[in-house]
Amino acid sequence: QKEVEQDPGPLSVPEGAIVSLNCTYSNSAFQYFMWYRQYSRKGPELLMYTYSSGNKEDGRFTAQVDKSSKYISLFIRDSQPSDSATYLCAMSAGTGRRALTFGSGTRLQVQP
Amino acid sequence: DGGITQSPKYLFRKEGQNVTLSCEQNLNHDAMYWYRQDPGQGLRLIYYSQIVNDFQKGDIAEGYSVSREKKESFPLTVTSAQKNPTAFYLCASSLTSGRVADTQYFGPGTRLTVL
Repeated sequence: QKEVEQDPGPLSVPEGAIVSLNCTYSNSAFQYFMWYRQYSRKGPELLMYTYSSGNKEDGRFTAQVDKSSKYISLFIRDSQPSDSATYLCAMSAGTGRRALTFGSGTRLQVQP
Repeated sequence: DGGITQSPKYLFRKEGQNVTLSCEQNLNHDAMYWYRQDPGQGLRLIYYSQIVNDFQKGDIAEGYSVSREKKESFPLTVTSAQKNPTAFYLCASSLTSGRVADTQYFGPGTRLTVL
């Protein structure tokens, strides 16, 4: 079983829809959570960074962490065709550990 | 213009050859990382370095080697011992590594294909 599980998609939605992307994890030591966006054949870029549980909002994006359920979400409001990309969740225990543990990514397609 | 550069963008390797992928950063970051990305498998850590002249194996280090002689540079060599090297290789850096999970910034990647 992978430490971080993420539905690969593809997830296809119409323009303007609210998108929900999710990851589950098994390591209770994880306390730093990130979402990266990756366009085809490009490097990932950081979208959201959250520590511990709770919500964080940045423009059309909201990151949500539920540590009790080991479940994190990324919501995209008013989705645009330019949001079409692969979204990777990543997480870390942050206690001297060497790097992030990534989900496999969800491919999102926003249809105009 | 701060960032991470990787070269080349595309690389072709013949069977039995060693090839070296370049990664340079001008962000003054201490930590650097190499990941491999295959379809449907996300990013897997190959090697990481927290400071100059020090590096550690990641989850899939077999068939790869690295060096960290300068803070700005972290080249990755894919040796002939790597049986399935065709993949997208990503280099990343972060300000520090250890006390907190600093944000990792990624380069544009190198796509390696074995002929």
